[in-house]
Amino acid sequence: EPEVTQTPSHQVTQMGQEVILRCVPISNHLYFYWYRQILGQKVEFLVSFYNNEISEKSEIFDDQFSVERPDGSNFTLKIRSTKLEDSAMYFCASSAGRRAGDEQYFGPGTRLTVT
Amino acid sequence: KNQVEQSPQSLIILEGKNCTLQCNYTVSPFSNLRWYKQDTGRGPVSLTIMTFSENTKSNGRYTATLDADTKQSSLHITASQLSDSASYICVVTLASGGSYIPTFGRGTSLIVHP
Repeated sequence: EPEVTQTPSHQVTQMGQEVILRCVPISNHLYFYWYRQILGQKVEFLVSFYNNEISEKSEIFDDQFSVERPDGSNFTLKIRSTKLEDSAMYFCASSAGRRAGDEQYFGPGTRLTVT
Repeated sequence: KNQVEQSPQSLIILEGKNCTLQCNYTVSPFSNLRWYKQDTGRGPVSLTIMTFSENTKSNGRYTATLDADTKQSSLHITASQLSDSASYICVVTLASGGSYIPTFGRGTSLIVHP
């Protein structure tokens, strides 16, 4: 069964460093998403992406975040200058469409630890 | 403010028993309401997805209901198994001006004991 994959599974970085989190969505999906979950808290929407453009973004997704689909398979989230509070699980998801009944499929997540 | 509230926060039941989890929301207008199962340290896995016109959806031992008038949903788990131990998350997607923004609840942590 097709699945969303994410790399790395765990990333440790120092405050102020740039990190890139990578995702490979399900191959025939057109919509891509990033979410984060701070330890012990609820999942939060960051951004959605379609046709090489951001469709929606939350208040969390400020100028230090960016997303890119550099080729036909990868979808990346870049954090330019990490802060301690960026430590969280980051989940990528994809869906075939955005109709009300379309499922979103989540990857296993990347645990980002900022020291 | 668009919010999704889930109850109870945590629940412990014995294997084989049934349980019902609740979700109240203020998100409006909404596109869909989804229930996810999330194992610790893993990504959420979809259980059910309902549009505003649907009032029940089943997936094996999981049955979700939706009352769009009262803005309430429930997830009923039948004949619980040890593997049902997880967090169950209610997600309501706001649909406004062509944008779709999901709002997550904090989840109900379910523990099934043998």
